[in-house]
Amino acid sequence: DAGITQSPRHKVTETGTPVTLRCHQTENHRYMYWYRQDPGHGLRLIHYSYGVKDTDKGEVSDGYSVSRSKTEDFLLTLESATSSQTSVYFCATSGPSSYNEQFFGPGTRLTVL
Amino acid sequence: AQTVTQSQPEMSVQEAETVTLSCTYDTSESDYYLFWYKQPPSRQMILVIRQEAYKQQNATENRFSVNFQKAAKSFSLKISDSQLGDAAMYFCAYRTTIYNNDMRFGAGTRLTVKP
Repeated sequence: DAGITQSPRHKVTETGTPVTLRCHQTENHRYMYWYRQDPGHGLRLIHYSYGVKDTDKGEVSDGYSVSRSKTEDFLLTLESATSSQTSVYFCATSGPSSYNEQFFGPGTRLTVL
Repeated sequence: AQTVTQSQPEMSVQEAETVTLSCTYDTSESDYYLFWYKQPPSRQMILVIRQEAYKQQNATENRFSVNFQKAAKSFSLKISDSQLGDAAMYFCAYRTTIYNNDMRFGAGTRLTVKP
């Protein structure tokens, strides 16, 4: 395992509230990713980072923002949570080469009421 | 954009038997990587096997092997001597060699193993 932790592991929140999910890695991997997993869709990329302060949008980025101020931490923020953002969120990392597999964190189950 | 299709939402297999999970993908690239990930009830994503598109030989990892048909854009996973611990969701994934952000996943196949 790549030593990836996510916090919190579970969260229930209300529509309209801000939410921040944290991903922490101990492998000094350059690349970090946020995915959401929904039934029938597999995993879809929200945002990714290719270095400190370097981030870009993925397939389903609307309503989400990210920040990476340190190599080991990648934050995902829902500025104003909606029920459609109820999902399981996974953080992943990978090494310097594109042939590297992605290593995944344990996931965060977020419920927006 | 590349797409990955897993046409079997659910599969079941008898313990000790063999099962094959299907995956097809769409791409215009000639070099790329393909993966099978396993997700047990714990939700942890675990890499099962990886295939580089430039390699003609099919990858194998113990009881897990793939049938990679590049021209047909097909990448199936064969599990031999199925065990109860193989029960999980299985995701096929495609990764480009060009950009490091681009990994696309299929919708998954839920595998049940019957004792």
